[in-house]
Amino acid sequence: EDQVTQSPEALRLQEGESSSLNCSYTVSGLRGLFWYRQDPGKGPEFLFTLYSAGEEKEKERLKATLTKKESFLHITAPKPEDSATYLCAVQADSNDYKLSFGAGTTVTVRA
Amino acid sequence: GAVVSQHPSWVICKSGTSVKIECRSLDFQATTMFWYRQFPKQSLMLMATSNEGSKATYEQGVEKDKFLINHASLTLSTLTVTSAHPEDSSFYICSATPRGRGRETQYFGPGTRLLVL
Repeated sequence: EDQVTQSPEALRLQEGESSSLNCSYTVSGLRGLFWYRQDPGKGPEFLFTLYSAGEEKEKERLKATLTKKESFLHITAPKPEDSATYLCAVQADSNDYKLSFGAGTTVTVRA
Repeated sequence: GAVVSQHPSWVICKSGTSVKIECRSLDFQATTMFWYRQFPKQSLMLMATSNEGSKATYEQGVEKDKFLINHASLTLSTLTVTSAHPEDSSFYICSATPRGRGRETQYFGPGTRLLVL
């Protein structure tokens, strides 16, 4: 069974204080690892898809990296508008395209 | 691009009534649509997977007769919560995957909050 563990559960940052979120996973053949951002009362917003170890993707202050066992989401010089819950999900190399989600990391950035 | 809408955004109903939630892909045709449920401070739990023109596949523990899914076209899927009870109160979110290239990526709707009194 696919498993996704995210840490820490919550992260409080000062504006400008860079940090990283961790997503550890086990899956029988990885098709892709996904990062989403979810604001309270909203659906998840797609950020990145990573397909193979060593791959990196960037979007504004966010950078996602992937190894064979984990992924990191780096937040560089965060702003208050980066406050959200960040969800990691894996998709196994099967035909059904299901996602298995982690519990998320809630990031709060104080001005 | 890749916009998914849901309607309604919130609904309050009496116990025993049925509620229908619509999920539409606005600017793409969806190969597959997924329905999730999310309880407060918890992550998304997959309820079912639906492909256009075929029966939905439900996850273990999800009652097929209670949560009816219809995927009538490549841009519309509906979830009907039948004979709703207070324990069905939750945040229901759908997602859709585009046809062709990039079909592994799910794009999510804004969610529907259901409160059953």
